[in-house]
Amino acid sequence: QLQLQEPGPGLVQPSETLSLTCTVSGDSISSTDYSWAWIRQPPGKGLEWIGSIYKSVSSYYTTSLRSRVTISADTSKNQFSLKLTSVTAADTAVYYCARLLVVGSRGSPYWGQGTLVTVSS
Amino acid sequence: DVQMTQSPSSLSASVGDRVTITCRASQDIKYYLAWFQQRPGKAPKSLIYAASTLESGVPSRFSGSGSGTDFTLTINSLQPEDFATYFCQQYNFYPYTFGQGTKLEI
Repeated sequence: QLQLQEPGPGLVQPSETLSLTCTVSGDSISSTDYSWAWIRQPPGKGLEWIGSIYKSVSSYYTTSLRSRVTISADTSKNQFSLKLTSVTAADTAVYYCARLLVVGSRGSPYWGQGTLVTVSS
Repeated sequence: DVQMTQSPSSLSASVGDRVTITCRASQDIKYYLAWFQQRPGKAPKSLIYAASTLESGVPSRFSGSGSGTDFTLTINSLQPEDFATYFCQQYNFYPYTFGQGTKLEI
């Protein structure tokens, strides 16, 4: 059974780096069928795709966050990670890791349960 | 970037109604569109992908259609558990993009 788990720090200080790791079980992050993604949702707002890693080596990012985001993978642990630098209150959100589709995917999307990260001193 | 425009942003309906939500892409995304349902306090759940493929376990009252730039999600005979927020997402191009959401209210 597919599971994605993304425990978070809860609280991050302004100007610090937000770090999250998604542990995947039931599928391989090296799969060519999926894009392993980070998505966030500020309180009361919509979904924002932050970025993805594909085949464990190719990373893609949303335009507005590209200068502050790094997504990487550890295939030995079947995990992928998010680092967001220089955070501000505007980065307060529920952060989800997810298995999203790519062109030609044969499966379906799946989301982790999400973790609330608050940026505050 | 591909802009995804959903309409309406909110919708009031009653149990038993049929509703349609529209998602328009700013350029041709073929049929690489997914629909998600999100209930309050929960993670989004997959409903439809490849524009019209119903996710396993999702009731048949949900259906999706469209290709190119115009897509619709239709819910027939609304049930109480369908009152939630719905999002579309394109996966033809990076960066991936979501619609702004449609809140379906009683």
